[in-house]
This record gives sequence, structure tokens and C-alpha cells, in this order.
Amino acid sequence: QVQLVDSGGGVVQPGRSLRLSCAASGFNFRNYGMHWVRQAPGKGLEWVALISYDGSNKFYPDSVQGRFTISRDNSKNTVYLQMDSLRPEDTAVYYCAKDCPAGSCFAAWGQGTLVTVSS
Amino acid sequence: DIQMTQSPSSLSASVGDRVTITCQASQDITNFLNWYRQRPGKAPELLIYDASNLETGVPSRFSGGGSGTDFTFTISRLQPEDIATYYCQQYADFPFTFGPGTKVDFK
Repeated sequence: QVQLVDSGGGVVQPGRSLRLSCAASGFNFRNYGMHWVRQAPGKGLEWVALISYDGSNKFYPDSVQGRFTISRDNSKNTVYLQMDSLRPEDTAVYYCAKDCPAGSCFAAWGQGTLVTVSS
Repeated sequence: DIQMTQSPSSLSASVGDRVTITCQASQDITNFLNWYRQRPGKAPELLIYDASNLETGVPSRFSGGGSGTDFTFTISRLQPEDIATYYCQQYADFPFTFGPGTKVDFK
């Protein structure tokens, strides 16, 4: 079955960087787009990034554009989120999610990894 | 950005009750609308995609409908495991956006 394992979260000072990883198994990873979605403590869900199946296309909301970079390694079945210039408002649980075969959705989710940005 | 609203923001119901949540988009999104359930302390789960299609393995008590700007999500008979927050989400345009959520708990 589909499994996504998120890792790399932790406590980081404002302005610093962090890289999250998501290891995928149970499906043909190289055929699917992948997303990152975050959830601030006690708040709702916010989409953060999308990468196409081959890594050729990447999309971000304005809130992270220019600071976050999504990438993938199809030989390792892993998607990454490089987060630079972190701000306190980036504090959240970060989930990776598998895209749907058609259209777009968050068909399967990782367990999440907590990122805390604080001095 | 496309704004998504949901109502109610919370509701209380009993096991076996019919529960309906509405979701409204700030512009026409045709049927590019998904629904998720997030149980306390857990990751969200996809329930409905493209407004009315039940995801594989999801119980048939869940259903969705609507198109354009107005959508509904229904649980025909509430079960204990349905105590959760429910989110709608549009993918008609970037950035993908979620509704604020509807929290469902027991009376």
C-alpha cells in the first residue's frame, strides 16, 4: 500500500534553513506529482508546493515563493522541501502528499513533520 | 486567489445522524473540488474528489455534490470515527486553497 514517511523537522532560528524529506513506497513514484501541505498549530491546511512527476514543473503560493524549493529524486523515491529564510509564521506540521492520477488532489499523506521557527 | 468558505464552522450530532456541510468558492471552479477528513492528531484523508467521486476504499456513507461555486458534503449516518474536521479544497487554479474547516463532534 502507499506509504509516505516525512522527516527533517525540528527547531530552527528565524532566517535559517531546513530541508524536509518524504520517502515514498507502494506506488510507482516516478509517475506522480507530489505536494507539500502545512498546518500551523491549531489552524487549517495550506498548500505549499507541487512538483510534477518528472520534476520539470514546480508551483508555489506567494507565501513561500522565492524561499522554498521543492525537488525530487526519482531514483530514491524521495521528494524534498528546501526551506530558506524561515519565519516564525512558517511554524507548522508539514505533510507530503501524493497527487491524484487525473486532476489534482492530495490522495495520500505522510504522517507529518513539525517545523518550529523560533529564536 | 480563489477563496473557499464552509458552513457551519462546527456542528454537534449523534451517531446515525445525517450531516451536511456546504462549501462555497469565490469564483466558478466547475467540479475541481475535493473533500478531506482529518481526525484529531492525524493526517488528513481524501474522501471525495472532483466534487462527487468517492475515493477508493472510502465508505459509501460519504457523498458529495455541486458544481460551479456551491458544493455539499454529506455523511448519511454519522459513525464514531467520523468525529473530525472536514475540509473542502479547490484545484481549479493556483494556489490550491482549502476551506477553513468544519469541526464535527458528538452531542
